[in-house]
Amino acid sequence: EPEVTQTPSHQVTQMGQEVILRCVPISNHLYFYWYRQILGQKVEFLVSFYNNEISEKSEIFDDQFSVERPDGSNFTLKIRSTKLEDSAMYFCASRRTEYQETQYFGPGTRLLVL
Amino acid sequence: KQEVTQIPAALSVPEGENLVLNCSFTDSAIYNLQWFRQDPGKGLTSLLLIQSSQREQTSGRLNASLDKSSGRSTLYIAASQPGDSATYLCAVYTGANSKLTFGKGITLSVRP
Repeated sequence: EPEVTQTPSHQVTQMGQEVILRCVPISNHLYFYWYRQILGQKVEFLVSFYNNEISEKSEIFDDQFSVERPDGSNFTLKIRSTKLEDSAMYFCASRRTEYQETQYFGPGTRLLVL
Repeated sequence: KQEVTQIPAALSVPEGENLVLNCSFTDSAIYNLQWFRQDPGKGLTSLLLIQSSQREQTSGRLNASLDKSSGRSTLYIAASQPGDSATYLCAVYTGANSKLTFGKGITLSVRP
């Protein structure tokens, strides 16, 4: 069964460094999402992406964050200058069509900013 | 702004018990509702998706119901097993881009 994959599974970085989190959505899916979960807290929506552009972003998704679909298969989340509070599990999700379809989640990347 | 609440935060039951996990949401204008399972330190496993036009959905020992008008959903687990121990998250789809808004989850412990 097709699944969403994410790399790396864990990343440790120094504060102020740039990180890129990678996701490969399910191949015939058209809608892509990033969520994050700070330890002990709710899963929070970051951004949705469709037709090569951001369709919605949350207040968390400030200028330090960007997303890209560079080659038609990968979907990346870049954090330009990491802060301690960016430490979280980051989940990628994808969905085939609008409205009645479930989102499928990847296994997550655990990011630790020191 | 949509808020999803799951109470209690934790629940411990003996093996074999039938149990109900509750979820409430503030804005009834949702598209779908989805229940997930999360094991410690792991990703999200989808359990059941209830479309807005449905009232319930079943998969094996799991049954989820949805009452949009009252802003409630329940996840019923029959004959609980120790392997059911995990955190159960409720999430609602809202808005044109169908982003998910999650509850904080209920951590279930099933004692042998």
